[in-house]
Amino acid sequence: NFMLTQPHSVSESPGKTATISCTGNSGSIASNYVQWYQQRPGSAPTTVIFENDQRPSGVPNRFSGSIDSSSNSASLTISGLKTEDEADYYCQSFDSSISNWVFGGGTKLTVL
Amino acid sequence: LHLQESGPGLVKPSETLSLTCTVSGDSINRTSYYWGWVRQPPGKGLEWIGSIYYTGRAYYSPSLKSRVTLSVDTSKNQFALNLSSVTAADTAVFYCVATGVITGWFDPWGQGTLVTVSS
Repeated sequence: NFMLTQPHSVSESPGKTATISCTGNSGSIASNYVQWYQQRPGSAPTTVIFENDQRPSGVPNRFSGSIDSSSNSASLTISGLKTEDEADYYCQSFDSSISNWVFGGGTKLTVL
Repeated sequence: LHLQESGPGLVKPSETLSLTCTVSGDSINRTSYYWGWVRQPPGKGLEWIGSIYYTGRAYYSPSLKSRVTLSVDTSKNQFALNLSSVTAADTAVFYCVATGVITGWFDPWGQGTLVTVSS
């Protein structure tokens, strides 16, 4: 089955840039859209990127998404890091072979 | 579009966990959405449980398929989750979500409801 693998944690300093990867174990990650969700403690996830690289209204342009077919991975990049960006981030996509939706395991972003 | 979960916060082991999601702000008959459930055990990641179309066509996670049933009630603008034979490992926050048919984008999410499995 299609699985998405994320690093368990990423740590970076305020003002710097953090990149979180999301790697598919089979097939082509470019075959279906990838979304990225931010989750703060005690809250439901909210979208920071949809359709690979689109930002919902209200999400600052410091957040960007991309797809790299050569490595079968997606990436979430957050520039100009702020302490408020500290949260868990999840990638999500679709496994067309069995019509199942899939989440990555999540990455804890620490900004310090 | 707004989603709200409801149901018991405590379920006994071996019993069936039942939750309902009420959709407001739009019709559940809207062809552009699947209606789904995601759970998150305490301190762990998100797990997709299953999704259902307004016609009743449902898709389930392979790991839960034998215990999960989704249903939709278009007259009440609601959809529901039944998870049978629960154990303590099923303790989690359960979210209902709308999923774009074309994009597979989970949005919006309900606020989530904690269900604890304990005797």
